[in-house]
Amino acid sequence: EPEVTQTPSHQVTQMGQEVILRCVPISNHLYFYWYRQILGQKVEFLVSFYNNEISEKSEIFDDQFSVERPDGSNFTLKIRSTKLEDSAMYFCASSEARGGSVSYTFGSGTRLTVV
Amino acid sequence: GDSVTQMEGPVTLSEEAFLTINCTYTATGYPSLFWYVQYPGEGLQLLLKATKADDKGSNKGFEATYRKETTSFHLEKGSVQVSDSAVYFCALKVNTGNQFYFGTGTSLTVIP
Repeated sequence: EPEVTQTPSHQVTQMGQEVILRCVPISNHLYFYWYRQILGQKVEFLVSFYNNEISEKSEIFDDQFSVERPDGSNFTLKIRSTKLEDSAMYFCASSEARGGSVSYTFGSGTRLTVV
Repeated sequence: GDSVTQMEGPVTLSEEAFLTINCTYTATGYPSLFWYVQYPGEGLQLLLKATKADDKGSNKGFEATYRKETTSFHLEKGSVQVSDSAVYFCALKVNTGNQFYFGTGTSLTVIP
C-alpha cells in the first residue's frame, strides 16, 4: 500500500535554528498538508498546498513557517527560527482530491524537539 | 467553531474485552466523521468513516455510527486483540472544507 514518508523521525534543534522537515507524498496525489500535535494537545492543521501554492493556512502558520515542493517528489516544511513552543510531532499528509468526505494518507510524523 | 472532544486515555483492556471510545463533535456545517489509528512507529491510518447521519462506518471489527441527534461518533469493538494496541483519533471535516479537526487521541493498550 502506498505510504507517505517523513524524515527524520526525530530531530533535536537549538532555539533560533532553522529546521527543514521532509515528506514524500504519495506519487499520484495532488494535495499536500502539514499538521502538528503538541504533546497532550489536539492534532492541529497548519497548511494545505496545491498546484505549487498555499491554498489554506491556519493562524499557527505565521511568517516563521514556509512550505515548498522543490522537486516532483518532496514536500518540505521549514521553520526559520525555532522556538521552544515549536516542539511537537509534525505530520505530513496527502490526498488525491479535496472535499469534506475525502480522507488523507498521513506519514508517521517527525518529532521536533527544540532545546 | 468546529471541534472534536474525545475520551481521555490511556485505556487498558484485557484481550477479548469490549471497547468503547467516546467522541462528540461540534460543527457549523454538516460534517463527515472519521476515526484514524496510529500503530507504534507508523502514520495515521484511516480506520473508518461516515459521511451522513445514521451511517455506520466499519473496518477490522471496529464500528462507529454517525449520530446527529447526540452529535456523537463513538468507536466500538466487541472483542479487542493485543494487535489493536494503538492511539485512536476521532476527526471531522465539514463538507465545504478540507481541514481536519482532530481530537487529542486515545491510547489503547490491550494486555493478553
